[in-house]
This record gives sequence, structure tokens and C-alpha cells, in this order.
Amino acid sequence: AQSVSQHNHHVILSEAASLELGCNYSYGGTVNLFWYVQYPGQHLQLLLKYFSGDPLVKGIKGFEAEFIKSKFSFNLRKPSVQWSDTAEYFCAVYPYGGSQGNLIFGKGTKLSVKP
Amino acid sequence: GAGVSQSPSNKVTEKGKDVELRCDPISGHTALYWYRQSLGQGLEFLIYFQGNSAPDKSGLPSDRFSAERTGGSVSTLTIQRTQQEDSAVYLCASSLAMLRGGYQETQYFGPGTRLLVL
Repeated sequence: AQSVSQHNHHVILSEAASLELGCNYSYGGTVNLFWYVQYPGQHLQLLLKYFSGDPLVKGIKGFEAEFIKSKFSFNLRKPSVQWSDTAEYFCAVYPYGGSQGNLIFGKGTKLSVKP
Repeated sequence: GAGVSQSPSNKVTEKGKDVELRCDPISGHTALYWYRQSLGQGLEFLIYFQGNSAPDKSGLPSDRFSAERTGGSVSTLTIQRTQQEDSAVYLCASSLAMLRGGYQETQYFGPGTRLLVL
């Protein structure tokens, strides 16, 4: 069965530190890839997505992610985090040919940014 | 325009009771999805609707779970004879069309219903 792994359960950083959150998926075919963010007390919001084309995707609030097909990875990055980036981040994959409509989510990475 | 709305925002019930959770998708979105988020877990896909039809119900965890959608809009997720393991946040999402291979769509999520079964 397809799965999504997020390597870090909880990441703690100081403001201005660089961020990289890992995401790997298990599916050999074509995929659509997403990062969602859930700020405290708020609902899930789309941060960025990859469907095709340039594997380096830029999203909102200075986030970017790189799709590396050979590594089955879609890591999220930000050069300099802010306290307001404190949230939980979810990687999600849609595998072509999979159950239609079924986004497969990782278990999430909680990011805490210290002011 | 308004986003996806869900009601109630919180629900506390006793084991064995039935509960109904409601989802109002974004206007014009034909596809609707239900997920469950348990503590420390990712989102677990439950069911999706294209219009009023739910072609694949295999994600529902047991036959105590059912869902319907009427008028291509509002959907209700019903859990019968609730159990403590049903406690979770139930999330609804909608998109313009069904997410499928080669079709680029994004799912927009509601705030969720937090269900606690005592």
C-alpha cells in the first residue's frame, strides 16, 4: 500500500534558522504532491503543490519544496523561519492510478519556532 | 467566498449513541471528501463524493459509518453506536472536481468536527 513518511515528529528552531522537513512516499508511478499547514487553532491550508514541470515549487510565506523523483522525496524548505511559522505541517501524495480522490497524508511534523 | 464549513465544531457523546456530522462545501465544488485525524496520526481518508455519488466506500472503517450527500452540496457523515475509538477530528474537504490522475485539483479543508466519545 502507498504510504507517506515524514521523518521528524517535532522540530524546534530559533527564529531565522533554516528549515527543512523531510517527506518520502512509496509509489513508483506518477504523483501529485502537496504540503498543507495547520496553524494553531486553524484548519488545514494548502502551502504549495506539485503537479508537473519545474520540480522546485514555491509556495506561500516563503516556503518552497523540491520534488526529487529518484529519491521519492518532496522536502519542504524555508531559508529563515519566523515565530509565526509555528504550526503542524503535513505532506500529502496523490498517486495516479490509486483510489480516486484519496490523498495519502503523512503523520505530520510539528514545528515550534522560538522567538 | 466562504470556505468549507462544518458543524458542530465539537461534539461530546456517550458510547453507543449515534452522531451526525455536517459539511457544507465551497459553492460550486462538485467533489467532497471526508477524512479522520486521530491524535498523533495523519489524516485517514474515509470517503469521497462526486456529485451525490460515492463510488468507493472502502475507506470507511466499519459498517457503523455511513455518509450521504444531497443536492450536490451538503454532506452528512453518520456514525452509529459510537465507540471510544471513534474519537477524532473529522475533516471535510471539497474541490472543483474529483482529484484523479492527470486532473489538477486542490482540496480545500474545513475546520473539522472534534468528536469525543465517552
